[in-house]
Amino acid sequence: SAVISQKPSRDICQRGTSLTIQCQVDSQVTMMFWYRQQPGQSLTLIATANQGSEATYESGFVIDKFPISRPNLTFSTLTVSNMSPEDSSIYLCSVGVEVGYGYTFGSGTRLTVV
Amino acid sequence: AQRVTQPEKLLSVFKGAPVELKCNYSYSGSPELFWYVQYSRQRLQLLLRHISRESIKGFTADLNKGETSFHLKKPFAQEEDSAMYYCALGGGATNKLIFGTGTLLAVQP
Repeated sequence: SAVISQKPSRDICQRGTSLTIQCQVDSQVTMMFWYRQQPGQSLTLIATANQGSEATYESGFVIDKFPISRPNLTFSTLTVSNMSPEDSSIYLCSVGVEVGYGYTFGSGTRLTVV
Repeated sequence: AQRVTQPEKLLSVFKGAPVELKCNYSYSGSPELFWYVQYSRQRLQLLLRHISRESIKGFTADLNKGETSFHLKKPFAQEEDSAMYYCALGGGATNKLIFGTGTLLAVQP
């Protein structure tokens, strides 16, 4: 399965600022997703990162708050914009070839907004 | 709409006891079902896929379309099985995975 490098692994940010999280994969993958895992909660899908086009966002998530880029089949970024303490969470990148095989997850970015 | 239900937040058993982690799903199409496990301080990792019908670390899971369930079972729990277990559902043109709320399995010595 693909090996994912996610950066940064953690960060503490001031409210009102933005943080960009990077997801680098060691092989070309068709599917790439961004999830959020709030403290003590399950994983919630933020969006599907589509190569060469705009991301597809889930209900409750908008592009202005979580802009996503995917310039090629091995790399994506998620930006958390204008952060507030409610954005404190673990953000996870997930990749795969197709859903039937299951997806691989990165180690996550633990974000704390103060 | 896709939905996954894991009714138990916590399941505590003694070492050597059988384990069953429940998962029910709601999906109108042909489902792809998975169990993921997250050990303490480790990343989420795929444990089982329904399509492969395999046994991993002694765990098995059978898809029951009539009951819309995909329960995870192990006949004899080990202390190293203690972890958070998530049931996940995929399918359809979007290829996205939706997760249940997770069950924390605690195996007591």
